[in-house]
Amino acid sequence: RKEVEQDPGPFNVPEGATVAFNCTYSNSASQSFFWYRQDCRKEPKLLMSVYSSGNEDGRFTAQLNRASQYISLLIRDSKLSDSATYLCVVNSFTSGTYKYIFGTGTRLKVLA
Amino acid sequence: EAQVTQNPRYLITVTGKKLTVTCSQNMNHEYMSWYRQDPGLGLRQIYYSMNVEVTDKGDVPEGYKVSRKEKRNFPLILESPSPNQTSLYFCASSSQPGQGYSYSNQPQHFGDGTRLSIL
Repeated sequence: RKEVEQDPGPFNVPEGATVAFNCTYSNSASQSFFWYRQDCRKEPKLLMSVYSSGNEDGRFTAQLNRASQYISLLIRDSKLSDSATYLCVVNSFTSGTYKYIFGTGTRLKVLA
Repeated sequence: EAQVTQNPRYLITVTGKKLTVTCSQNMNHEYMSWYRQDPGLGLRQIYYSMNVEVTDKGDVPEGYKVSRKEKRNFPLILESPSPNQTSLYFCASSSQPGQGYSYSNQPQHFGDGTRLSIL
């Protein structure tokens, strides 16, 4: 089982739609969580950190469920410019080292 | 401007010819890391460093070397490149998240990437 799992998609949605992605992680010692956005073959860019209480940034809402070990990303009122791959990232501190584990990403295509 | 700088951006070379990809960050970050990204496999960690003179293997370290003599630089060395090392490489850096109750979210900042082709 992969340490961080995401549905690869693609999710094809019309402009204005609401879309949600989930990501599950296997290491219960994981301590910090992030969503990144990656455009085709470019560097990943931080979209938002994910906090236990849930957090919102404009049209984007991220939530963490530690009991079920998953994080989610909700995008409201999708724009064409939201088309990208969304990477879930989990960070944990085990055996004296930090490790960032990336999911393989969920591809989103927003259609006109 | 806070950034992670990789060089070169693109390189085509031949099997066996030693090469180095440089990475430099200006944010005084302790943690630095190298990843490779291949279609369908996502980002896989090659090596990471938690501070100067402290480096450790990631998930796919074979065929690579790194060094961390200074805090800002973390070069990736391919002593004898082979075609299976053709890939898109990213360097990243972050502050140390802390430990236990002082753990805080410290996201990684990425360089622009290096597209490497080994013929």
